[in-house]
Amino acid sequence: DARVTQTPRHKVTEMGQEVTMRCQPILGHNTVFWYRQTMMQGLELLAYFRNRAPLDDSGMPKDRFSAEMPDATLATLKIQPSEPRDSAVYFCASGEDRQETQYFGPGTRLLVL
Amino acid sequence: KQEVTQIPAALSVPEGENLVLNCSFTDSAIYNLQWFRQDPGKGLTSLLLIQSSQREQTSGRLNASLDKSSGRSTLYIAASQPGDSATYLCAAYYGNNRLAFGKGNQVVVIP
Repeated sequence: DARVTQTPRHKVTEMGQEVTMRCQPILGHNTVFWYRQTMMQGLELLAYFRNRAPLDDSGMPKDRFSAEMPDATLATLKIQPSEPRDSAVYFCASGEDRQETQYFGPGTRLLVL
Repeated sequence: KQEVTQIPAALSVPEGENLVLNCSFTDSAIYNLQWFRQDPGKGLTSLLLIQSSQREQTSGRLNASLDKSSGRSTLYIAASQPGDSATYLCAAYYGNNRLAFGKGNQVVVIP
């Protein structure tokens, strides 16, 4: 049963600390997305990769957020330094161009104190 | 800007009643319209995908309709059950792998 996996599932940290979230997309998928979900804003697209190349990260605060795909089986999202307003659920999703849909991971619930 | 709106944000219905969830989108140049389900603490699961050339799509007790010209989609859930309690999100697909999501309808089915 192929699925997107994310680690950690929960993270509590203090303001100013670095946070790294990891995602393993479904094997064979060539697109990867990072979303942030809050009650106020709903789902916001942070970054989007195709074939490991970043195509759009305009939704991401560049001064503190960074997203990478070191290889086809791993995507990372880093926040440095973290702030309380970063508290949210961060989802990774993967897909294939021809399918026109996305498969979501279970999310990382982040709380920055 | 491609905006997707879902109203109401939350609703509750007695078990057995039919559920009607509405979604509207500002840009009608969609490739498809998708409905997802999200359970508390979980990710999103795709329910139905309606291509822009289609008027509706059905899966079991779920039926989704699409009126592209008026920028609306409706998800019908027949004979609701407590297990249908979840948040339902619609998303408009505009190509280039971009999905524009609504904020969701949070549904509670009362036994």
